[in-house]
Amino acid sequence: QTVVTQEPSFSVSPGGTVTLTCGLSSGSVSTRNSPNWFQQTPGQAPRTLIYNTNGRSSGVPDRFSGSILGNKAALTITGAQADDESDYYCLLHLGSGIWMFGGGTKLTVL
Amino acid sequence: QVQLQESGPGLVNPSETLSLTCTVSGASISDYYWSWIRQPPGKGLEWIGWIGYSDYSVTTKSNPSLGSRVTMSLDTSKRQFSLNLASVTAADTAVYYCASSPEGSYGVGYWGQGTLVPVSS
Repeated sequence: QTVVTQEPSFSVSPGGTVTLTCGLSSGSVSTRNSPNWFQQTPGQAPRTLIYNTNGRSSGVPDRFSGSILGNKAALTITGAQADDESDYYCLLHLGSGIWMFGGGTKLTVL
Repeated sequence: QVQLQESGPGLVNPSETLSLTCTVSGASISDYYWSWIRQPPGKGLEWIGWIGYSDYSVTTKSNPSLGSRVTMSLDTSKRQFSLNLASVTAADTAVYYCASSPEGSYGVGYWGQGTLVPVSS
């Protein structure tokens, strides 16, 4: 059973840069997995940040960027702000039309 | 811009079928892939499945962990798509989101606001 892995938690200082990653329990992540990234604050629906590895969703600041780093998908946030404190989820295409979310990363800005 | 609104019962009894509908505005049903995603209280997101047109026929894919309990359908004339989840238990209690793919791509671009569906007698 393939699992999509994310750091459970991460912290960043205001104004700092943080890179969250999204991996596979078996194998490497590539652009073929079409990584998506989402931001969710408590009580709200998720918001799409990145689709198809590095496509930025409409209205998303360019402080958010997606890439492949080594064998994982990555979401980099530069110039972190207080309202970036959220849960971040990745979504990967595993093949044959099947998708899977990672467990999410709780990002603290302090 | 794609806008989505879920509708369905406020409560479902165990062993019954959970049925939800998502109404689409701002987009043509035939131009996107449509997904269902859920989130149990206090937990992470779970992909349920997607439905869409591929080569002029409707295609569906669902999470293997949900087995054959999931069925999805499209109603182009009403600009709606629907989810049925059979034989529910308390573990199916969650906020259910409908979503669409991004323009010209795959995955999830737009989200509905979500609807909480408790499973309880």
